[in-house]
Amino acid sequence: GIQVEQSPPDLILQEGANSTLRCNFSDSVNNLQWFHQNPWGQLINLFYIPSGTKQNGRLSATTVATERYSLLYISSSQTTDSGVYFCAGPTGDSNYQLIWGAGTKLIIKP
Amino acid sequence: DTAVSQTPKYLVTQMGNDKSIKCEQNLGHDTMYWYKQDSKKFLKIMFSYNNKELIINETVPNRFSPKSPDKAHLNLHINSLELGDSAVYFCASSQGGVGHLAGQYFGPGTRLTVT
Repeated sequence: GIQVEQSPPDLILQEGANSTLRCNFSDSVNNLQWFHQNPWGQLINLFYIPSGTKQNGRLSATTVATERYSLLYISSSQTTDSGVYFCAGPTGDSNYQLIWGAGTKLIIKP
Repeated sequence: DTAVSQTPKYLVTQMGNDKSIKCEQNLGHDTMYWYKQDSKKFLKIMFSYNNKELIINETVPNRFSPKSPDKAHLNLHINSLELGDSAVYFCASSQGGVGHLAGQYFGPGTRLTVT
């Protein structure tokens, strides 16, 4: 089945810094999603991005489906951006199951 | 106006007990899911229901039994709880499966601790 790799596994930055998180897939993915799990455990859907680029405030995501990767950009980081960022995509065998990466743990220091 | 809600938020119980977690979504989605997140934050799907029908049933002990009385609800019942069941359980919903529209939306999670 599809495997998902996220990098880096951990990232510590000062407030105000920019960051890029990467998600690689072992096979092509039609419907990649990015999620943020905040320090209180809440999972928030950030982007549904099968291809191209989307922006939402200080966050943007780009997926290049043909090259099997997606990038999440965070600009002017704030402490509230801390948490774990996951990418996930359908397995290809089922439209009802996402395969998840292990996440990137981001800590933004004030 | 919470989109996906779960109760209870915290559950502490002893080994051998039976417990249930309830989930409700008001997004009008037709697909609901249960995930287990372990201490290393790894998310693993347990079950997926589409229009009240079981679609995905991963390798989960049969002590876990999901029940979907209608499209808006998916409950999880766990019999004979074991220490290894301690985790955070997330309910999620989507429209038309994970490949459609805006993706999955998650409940706040239920932290289950088995002592």
